[in-house]
Amino acid sequence: QVQLQESGPGLLKPSGTLSLTCAVSGDSISSSYWWNWVRQPPGKGLEWIGEIYHTGSTNYNPSFKSRVTISVDKSKNQFSLKLTSVTAADTAVYYCARDGNTVIQAVYAFDIWGQGTMVTVSS
Amino acid sequence: EIVLTQSPGTLSLSPGERATLSCRTSQSISSDYLAWYQRKPGLAPRLIIFGASSRASGIPDRFSGSGSGTDFTLTINRLEPEDFAVYFCQQYGSSPLYIFGQGTKLEIK
Repeated sequence: QVQLQESGPGLLKPSGTLSLTCAVSGDSISSSYWWNWVRQPPGKGLEWIGEIYHTGSTNYNPSFKSRVTISVDKSKNQFSLKLTSVTAADTAVYYCARDGNTVIQAVYAFDIWGQGTMVTVSS
Repeated sequence: EIVLTQSPGTLSLSPGERATLSCRTSQSISSDYLAWYQRKPGLAPRLIIFGASSRASGIPDRFSGSGSGTDFTLTINRLEPEDFAVYFCQQYGSSPLYIFGQGTKLEIK
C-alpha cells in the first residue's frame, strides 16, 4: 500500500523559505509516476504547485514558477518542496500527491495523497 | 486559464437520497481529463472518478460520473453516512497542468 507523508515546519516568518518533504512508502519514487505538491489556503480551493519525475524533470504552476523548487532524493525515497519569499498568502495546508498515470492506464488525476500539513506564515 | 465552477456550494441531503454535484468548465475539455475527489477532515483526499466516468479502485458503484464538453456531474446514489464530505472536481491539461474546482460540501440534512 503506497503512502505519502508530508513533514516540515508548521510556522514560518514572512520572507522566509518554506521547506517540506514528502516521504514515499510502499513504492519506489523511481517508479513511473510524477510526484506532486498541492496546497489549499484557508477558505479557498486547491491549487497545484508543481510536479517532479524521478529523473528530476519538473513542471511548475506559472503562478509559483519564480519562487518554487521541487527536488527528489532517490536515496531517501522522498521529494521536497521549497517556496521562497513567503507571505501570509502562502498560509495553507500543503499536500503531496502521486499522479496515477501509468503506461497501462491514463488517469490524469492524483490517486494517492498525503494527509496534508498546515503551514502558517506569520510574524 | 480554465475555471472550474462547482454547484451547489453546499448540498443538504439525508442518507438514502441521491446527490447530484455539478462541475462546469469555462472551456470545453476532454472527458479524459476530468476527475472527482472526496475529502474528509483530517484525511487524505480520495480519488473517486477519473476520465469523467471511470471509478477509481475500491470506489463503490453508487458513485458515478458523467458529462462532456463543459458540463460534468458526479452522482451518488443511496447516500451512506460515510459519503458526507467535500467533493471537488479537477481538470488536467491546460496551464497550469491541474486546476481544481472550489468544492461542494455534502452535508447531512
